[in-house]
Parts: sequence; structure tokens; C-alpha cells
Amino acid sequence: AQKVTQAQTEISVVEKEDVTLDCVYETRDTTYYLFWYKQPPSGELVFLIRRNSFDEQNEISGRYSWNFQKSTSSFNFTITASQVVDSAVYFCALSPRKTSYDKVIFGPGTSLSVIP
Amino acid sequence: EAQVTQNPRYLITVTGKKLTVTCSQNMNHEYMSWYRQDPGLGLRQIYYSMNVEVTDKGDVPEGYKVSRKEKRNFPLILESPSPNQTSLYFCASSLSMASSYNSPLHFGNGTRLTVT
Repeated sequence: AQKVTQAQTEISVVEKEDVTLDCVYETRDTTYYLFWYKQPPSGELVFLIRRNSFDEQNEISGRYSWNFQKSTSSFNFTITASQVVDSAVYFCALSPRKTSYDKVIFGPGTSLSVIP
Repeated sequence: EAQVTQNPRYLITVTGKKLTVTCSQNMNHEYMSWYRQDPGLGLRQIYYSMNVEVTDKGDVPEGYKVSRKEKRNFPLILESPSPNQTSLYFCASSLSMASSYNSPLHFGNGTRLTVT
């Protein structure tokens, strides 16, 4: 089965705290892409990062970092020193490259609230 | 400006009254897709199109139709809307979904549909 699980439905943190959003995926494919998208309160969906299954190097972009571990099928997203503008729903997504290459499978999302 | 344009942003209609939500992209993308977003379920794919005149069902196609007569347009048609189609709808496009290539999805701003 191809599936993305985001077990944290809602998270609240106080501004400047670090927060990690979990993403666990399932796929039969050995080649796949993983994504994170952000949906701020205004509603649009914004692409954050893409990672392919052959590249397990962690990535850092400013206050954002991503930890990809094939051994645990996880692609977790950490925000360091969170800010109110980080308040949003975050979606993890999986794009298999062989069995269902025409699909992008989304997780249910994690709603993050950063309290000033 | 590269974008995916959906119209309308908000739509309230009654059961059984046919409606069309338009979607247009100006990036010459091959792949286009429709998703619906419901609380706790994330984004679920309704229909997608790999290219002109090539469309296929996603995970929740019942009650919807699509067409892809031109590369830039991918309208979503509800022939006889029902209250369970009340949802937030997103159109998305991507350069290509070929197995050897993957690019992120670019989303429209969403259409909030209410069927009474």
C-alpha cells in the first residue's frame, strides 16, 4: 500500500520553541519522492521541499530542516526557533515512481499553532 | 507570473444544479490534477491528467467529471452536486510526472464549495 501518516493532528508551541513534525510513509517502490507543503491560514498550498529516495542527506534551509531516514520510512520536518508566521497546516506527501508514478499521496496534515 | 488560476474562489449552490470550476495554468505543464481537502483527511485526488486528452480517475472520482481539451485548462464538472461534495477544492499542475522525472505540484488558491 502507498500511504502517508502524520500522527500529530495538532501541535501548539510557544514562539521561539523548536518543533518537529513527523511523517511516516509506506511504499513498495524503491524509487520515490517525498515532499512537504505548507498551508497558511490564507489557504494556499506552498511547496517547501522535495527529496528523492536515493538522497538521505539531511537538508537545512534557514530555520527549517528535514531528516530523511529510509530505515524507519520517515521524513520529519523541524522548525527551529518557531515564529507566529509558521502557524499553518503542514502536509507531507509521497510520489512513487513506478507503481503509481501518476499519483501524489498526501498525509492528513499537521496543524501547527505558534503562540506569541 | 507563473500561476495556477482557479475560479470561483467561493461557490454556494443547491443539490442537483450543475456547476463547473475552472482551472488554468500558464506554465505549459503537462500534468494537472484536482484534489479535495476535508478535515482530517488531507488532500484526496479526484481526477488527474497526464497530458491533453489523457485523463484518469484518482481516489475519489465519483460525482465528478473532467476534460483536458487544451494543455492549459482542466475544468472540474459536478453534473449533479450533492451535500457530500461540500469541500475545499484545489487544482494543481506539475511539469511532468514521467517516471524518470518529478517536479513539485503548483496549486491554485482553492475553491470553497458549499452544496445545500
